[in-house]
Amino acid sequence: RKEVEQDPGPFNVPEGATVAFNCTYSNSASQSFFWYRQDCRKEPKLLMSVYSSGNEDGRFTAQLNRASQYISLLIRDSKLSDSATYLCVAGVDNQGGKLIFGQGTELSVKP
Amino acid sequence: DGGITQSPKYLFRKEGQNVTLSCEQNLNHDAMYWYRQDPGQGLRLIYYSQIVNDFQKGDIAEGYSVSREKKESFPLTVTSAQKNPTAFYLCASKGQGGDEQFFGPGTRLTVL
Repeated sequence: RKEVEQDPGPFNVPEGATVAFNCTYSNSASQSFFWYRQDCRKEPKLLMSVYSSGNEDGRFTAQLNRASQYISLLIRDSKLSDSATYLCVAGVDNQGGKLIFGQGTELSVKP
Repeated sequence: DGGITQSPKYLFRKEGQNVTLSCEQNLNHDAMYWYRQDPGQGLRLIYYSQIVNDFQKGDIAEGYSVSREKKESFPLTVTSAQKNPTAFYLCASKGQGGDEQFFGPGTRLTVL
């Protein structure tokens, strides 16, 4: 079993749609969580951190459920520019800040 | 501009040759990391360093070596012992007081 598992992709949605990504993690020692965005053949870039209370940044909302070891990302009113691969990431703080990455979910927003 | 640089962007080597990938940061970050990404897979940790002159193996350290002689620099050597070296190599750094890591643009290594 992978330590961080994400929804299989690709997700193909029309512009303006709302799309949700789900992710589960298995290491109960994980204390920090993130969503990164990775464009084709580029480096991952931090999209947002994920907190237990949930957090929102414009059209993006992230949620964390520690009891279920579940993380989600909701994108509202999707834009063409949102097309990318979204990486769910769990941090294991007692291992030098190690990050464990999911394999990523590809999103394609069509006109 | 503060950031992380990696060079070269593309690298081609013959099988059996060692190759060193450069990673430099001017963010004054203490911790630095090397990851490898293969097509359709998540990033996997090769080595990391939390402080100068100290580093630890990650999940897939076999066939790789690193050094951390300066805070700004964390070069990775891919040795001939690495069985499948062709991959996208990403360097990252992390500052104190934060858990998020910031990535360089990566080096695509192809071994022919």
